[in-house]
Amino acid sequence: EIVMTQSPATLSVSPGEGATLSCRTSQSVGSNLAWYQQRPGQAPRLLISTASVRADGLPARFSGSGSGTEFALTISSLQSEDFAVYFCQQYQEWPYTFGQGTKLEIK
Amino acid sequence: EVQLSESGGALVQPGGSLRLSCVASGFTFGNSAMTWVRQAPGKGLEWVSDISATGNSIYYADSVKGRFTISRDNSKNTLHLQMNSLRAEDTAVYYCVKQFGGVSLQHFEHWGQGTLVTVSS
Repeated sequence: EIVMTQSPATLSVSPGEGATLSCRTSQSVGSNLAWYQQRPGQAPRLLISTASVRADGLPARFSGSGSGTEFALTISSLQSEDFAVYFCQQYQEWPYTFGQGTKLEIK
Repeated sequence: EVQLSESGGALVQPGGSLRLSCVASGFTFGNSAMTWVRQAPGKGLEWVSDISATGNSIYYADSVKGRFTISRDNSKNTLHLQMNSLRAEDTAVYYCVKQFGGVSLQHFEHWGQGTLVTVSS
């Protein structure tokens, strides 16, 4: 199975600053990568699909990049509601696999 | 608005069975591949099973193969997960997920709020 590695595990950032979260896959997934946000006590929600396509209604401060085995989620000018856990996921092949998550916390 | 409402989660003893259901609304259920994803308490996300829009293609994670069965009733906009021979490691919140499109290997477009399954004696 494809192993997903996210870094860092925890990222402490001040509101208004930017953050970049990384996701690496153990083999190429092309652009078949998604990012999800999970706030405490809530279900995950789709942010980015196909590595860089924002979900409907997602603010432009969220952007995804990368292809192959290296991907990034960048959030500019962090808002209070952005502090959450972020997961990357590949859907190139079964089994679908997720990264272990990056917790974005307020500094 | 897409809505996915799971039910059926409960406390069950090891070796027991449980059937989860997910009622969908706000989209054409019969045109969408569906998925179950689970999350153990305080842990990450684990894909469990996939079913295509027609129900003809089904996939399982190795951890549940032979014990869990996914099914759907497109006339009732309902997805099911029959879970047998439950183990402590199956304890998790189970999410019903709508995939993008009618076939599998797509991103997970919409998630339900989840239903908690606890396997313990």
